[in-house]
Amino acid sequence: QSVLTQPPSASGTPGQRVTISCSGSSSNIGRDSVYWYQQLPGTAPKLLIYKNNQRPSGVPDRFSGSKSGTSASLAINGLRSEDESDYYCAAWDASLSGWAFGGGTKLTVL
Amino acid sequence: QVQLVESGGGVVQPGGSLRLSCVASEFTFSASGMHWVRQAPGKGLEWVAFIRYDGIKKYADSVKGRFTISRDNSDNTLYLQMNSLRSEDTAVYYCARETSISPFDPWGQGTLVTVSS
Repeated sequence: QSVLTQPPSASGTPGQRVTISCSGSSSNIGRDSVYWYQQLPGTAPKLLIYKNNQRPSGVPDRFSGSKSGTSASLAINGLRSEDESDYYCAAWDASLSGWAFGGGTKLTVL
Repeated sequence: QVQLVESGGGVVQPGGSLRLSCVASEFTFSASGMHWVRQAPGKGLEWVAFIRYDGIKKYADSVKGRFTISRDNSDNTLYLQMNSLRSEDTAVYYCARETSISPFDPWGQGTLVTVSS
């Protein structure tokens, strides 16, 4: 059971907007930043969003992040076939004194 | 371009030991914190251990007392010594750099550890 809760799957059609949620608690998301990682099939994870809503250079502005209270969300606008991937949220957990990941969400582009 | 290359994975029997390595290049390794993160087959990501630039270490409860993270700044190499291995330690192990903007960026390609008799 992951400390951060994500839906196991999400889907959308090309061009659609899709959101993926990440629910935590006051010991993690409620007190610290959230990070999002994209893991394409058979590859290592890659940083997608840092500090709740910041995009590293090279990440398309179709991807955006937000945080409110003890929850965070990743939004993908203008869905494309190459967005089909696993997505993970992460945050520092003060109770664990360690990093926590969400269980991951598998995004399917129909 | 920042690069991390893991090695040392393989098949080991339960109760056995293994040492993973992660060679870093194209950044100031000695000034960087480093993590190990693992991913069991078909499962999600699990943080394993962290070593700060000054040697301060942190571990996940699941590996505390069995795994040891260390670094050799002269060789730009990160290590993970894994003892008393269990079947549930079977996973791809990734090393990742910690930066001012993200705890895990970038990641290495990973090395597979299989614990099986």
